This record gives sequence, C-alpha cells and structure tokens, in this order.
Amino acid sequence: GAVVSQHPSWVICKSGTSVKIECRSLDFQATTMFWYRQFPKQSLMLMATSNEGSKATYEQGVEKDKFLINHASLTLSTLTVTSAHPEDSSFYICSARPQDNEKLFFGSGTQLSVL
Amino acid sequence: AQSVSQHNHHVILSEAASLELGCNYSYGGTVNLFWYVQYPGQHLQLLLKYFSGDPLVKGIKGFEAEFIKSKFSFNLRKPSVQWSDTAEYFCAVIPKAAGNKLTFGGGTRVLVKP
Repeated sequence: GAVVSQHPSWVICKSGTSVKIECRSLDFQATTMFWYRQFPKQSLMLMATSNEGSKATYEQGVEKDKFLINHASLTLSTLTVTSAHPEDSSFYICSARPQDNEKLFFGSGTQLSVL
Repeated sequence: AQSVSQHNHHVILSEAASLELGCNYSYGGTVNLFWYVQYPGQHLQLLLKYFSGDPLVKGIKGFEAEFIKSKFSFNLRKPSVQWSDTAEYFCAVIPKAAGNKLTFGGGTRVLVKP
C-alpha cells in the first residue's frame, strides 16, 4: 500500500527557534496533503490543506505566519513552526491523498516539545 | 510492532443493512480510541471517541462503537445505513504508554448501494 513518511518523529527545541516537519509520499504523487494537530486527550484538529504549487488553505484560528506550509512538489509538503513556544508543543500529523484516488494515507506523526 | 488493524478494507452493502467495522489494536494498558470518517472530497471528521466510562459509545449520525478491553477491540456499528454513509472510516488509537502519539488503522472503504 501507499506510504507517507513523516520526519522527524520526535523533536525537542528551545523556545524561539523554528522547526521544520516534512511529509513525503513515497510511492505516489499527492496533489493534496493535510496537516493536523492533536492536543492531549482531544481529537485531531485540521490545521491546513496543502495544495501542490499553490498557497495552503488554513482553517479558522490557525496562524498562517506561525505555521508555514510549503508544498513545492507532488511528493513533499513541509510544515514549519516558526518561533516556537511551549504552547506549540503538540503532536502533528500529516496525511496525503493520491491524485486519482480519494483514500487518505497518514504519516506516523511528529511529537514536538518546546522547552 | 504495535499497531491498529482494520480487517475489512472494502465493504459493500445495501441501504438499510446493518454495518459493523472491526478495529483491533495491539497496545496494552490504557488507550484512548477514536473513529473518524472521510466522506468523498472532504477531510476527516470525528464520529466518536472513547476515553473512559461506559464502553458503549454513541456518536454522530447514528453510529456507535463498543470498547471491549479483553479483545483489544473498538468496533463501529450502525443498525441501518444510508447511501450518504458511503465514505472511508478510520479507527485511531492513542496508547497512554506511547504518550500523545495517535496511530491510525488502514481505513475501511464503505460503499452503500441505493
């Protein structure tokens, strides 16, 4: 089956630094990728929809300048948490949808801890 | 490796039929459990979740799920499906032992014929 690779799986950083998370579709091309955030004991929250070659569509309440999304190719989307603060500590997960298929495939997630 | 398994990859049924989708996980200890649905052309939506308490959980749109700890299962059910239930369904687990890491099953595609 299709594979979505997400890196890093765990990152610890100092407050004020930026962190980049990569989401790659390994064996298919994905025109659309989704970025989610999960708070403890809550369900996923969709942050943004990333479309190849165009600007991401952010959900209401998600800061565009804080969470930079780049979908430069059909197999790679990146989420950069800029000037991270402890409240940004969370589990981030991406998913990708193949061009000609509606099925979603999930990355393994990234646990971000900001000190 | 520890995992979340959805045994049925594709399910086809007629309207008014009953639906049950299996979900098994291999994590020990305390778990939080979720079922998500993705309708064609849309993103994920939460159907229901279990954290503690009554193991029979009622969700939206007439769905329910039962947590059976001894079987490591959290099966999703709906007594009578409609054409609009055509979608992909994902089971997800947060094992307490793994911190906040959410792991999804592979998904089950459900096609309801009118």
